[in-house]
Amino acid sequence: KQEVTQIPAALSVPEGENLVLNCSFTDSAIYNLQWFRQDPGKGLTSLLLIQSSQREQTSGRLNASLDKSSGRSTLYIAASQPGDSATYLCAVHNTDKLIFGTGTRLQVFP
Amino acid sequence: DAGVIQSPRHEVTEMGQEVTLRCKPISGHNSLFWYRQTMMRGLELLIYFNNNVPIDDSGMPEDRFSAKMPNASFSTLKIQPSEPRDSAVYFCASSLGVGAGNGQPQHFGDGTRLSIL
Repeated sequence: KQEVTQIPAALSVPEGENLVLNCSFTDSAIYNLQWFRQDPGKGLTSLLLIQSSQREQTSGRLNASLDKSSGRSTLYIAASQPGDSATYLCAVHNTDKLIFGTGTRLQVFP
Repeated sequence: DAGVIQSPRHEVTEMGQEVTLRCKPISGHNSLFWYRQTMMRGLELLIYFNNNVPIDDSGMPEDRFSAKMPNASFSTLKIQPSEPRDSAVYFCASSLGVGAGNGQPQHFGDGTRLSIL
């Protein structure tokens, strides 16, 4: 059974820092991996999707990497801003389903 | 263009009442997913449809839960009778295609916050 874990569970940093959020999964037979952002009281916003054949994807200040063989993905946030404060979730596509991680709650203070 | 639309945004009702949650997927998307989010269990897939047909309902917790998709632009999730432990945020998501490997991301609605007293 696929299990997805995210570390750390919570993170509080000053504005301007570069951040790394970690995601690990137990079954490497995934099709792709998706990173989401969730703001309080809101739904999930898709940030990046990495196909299993890809190593990384970039969007603005965000870069996500995937190492399928070791069951790991990282989300790198460059030059963090208070507006980046949210919960970040990774999810792996296993067969027909998305299996979600536990999330990392990020707070960036001015 | 409009995203996934869910209604109501909030629902408070008494135990034993019937609850109906509604979802309008993004136009042109042919897969629809219902999720439940709680502090204890995180995000869990309840059921998903492809081309209006239920594909996997193994996540539906009990027979009290049922979901329908009468057409490509509308789906409902019904709980009857409701219980306090059903309190959670229920999300609907849609995507193009179905199954992993199609490379299409899922797009989520803002959710329905359900409280059963």
